[in-house]
Amino acid sequence: DIEMTQSPSSLSASVGDRVTITCRASESISSYLNWYQKKPGKAPKFLIYAASTLQSGVPSRFSGSGSGTDFTLTISSLQPEDFATYYCQEGYSTQLTFGGGTKVEIK
Amino acid sequence: QVTLKESGPVLVKPTETLTLTCTVSGFSLTDTRMGVSWIRQPPGKGLKWLAHIFSSDEKSYRTSLKTRLTISQDTSKSQVVLTMTNVDPMDTATYYCARVTGSWLTPDAFDIWGQGTVVTVSS
Repeated sequence: DIEMTQSPSSLSASVGDRVTITCRASESISSYLNWYQKKPGKAPKFLIYAASTLQSGVPSRFSGSGSGTDFTLTISSLQPEDFATYYCQEGYSTQLTFGGGTKVEIK
Repeated sequence: QVTLKESGPVLVKPTETLTLTCTVSGFSLTDTRMGVSWIRQPPGKGLKWLAHIFSSDEKSYRTSLKTRLTISQDTSKSQVVLTMTNVDPMDTATYYCARVTGSWLTPDAFDIWGQGTVVTVSS
């Protein structure tokens, strides 16, 4: 099975900061990489698909990049509503594996 | 508007069978471009995909849980059902159903999620 590794597992940042989260696949997944935002007690929110395409309605401060095995999610200017846990997920295999998550906390 | 809603027991005893139902609206289970998945999140842990089913009735399961899971659908009721046999306290989690894009051979992303249902396994 493909393994998805996110780093860091958590980070502290301030409103207005630029935040970058990394996701690495154990083998090439082309651009079959999706990103989600998860807040406590809420359903995950679909942010980005195909590594870099924003889902409809997602603010443009979110962006994704990468292909093959290495991917990044960037929040250009962190807003109060962005404090959450972010998960990557590969859409290359039939097992649809998630990364372990990156918790973005308030500094 | 596309919605998915999970339902099922809040508390299940160890060794029992857990049955969860996902009722969908705003799209059809017969649509060939999408399917329905089950995903869970144990307390304080990450998301894990469990299973999915597509319109052709083709199914896939998480390898490590394959012997315990069964997914099925009733298109007339717009419902997808997941059963998990021989539950253990380690199965305590919030269980989500989500619409999955793509096809059975090439599933991709979970674009719409239900609100989740909390299941506790305890005697």
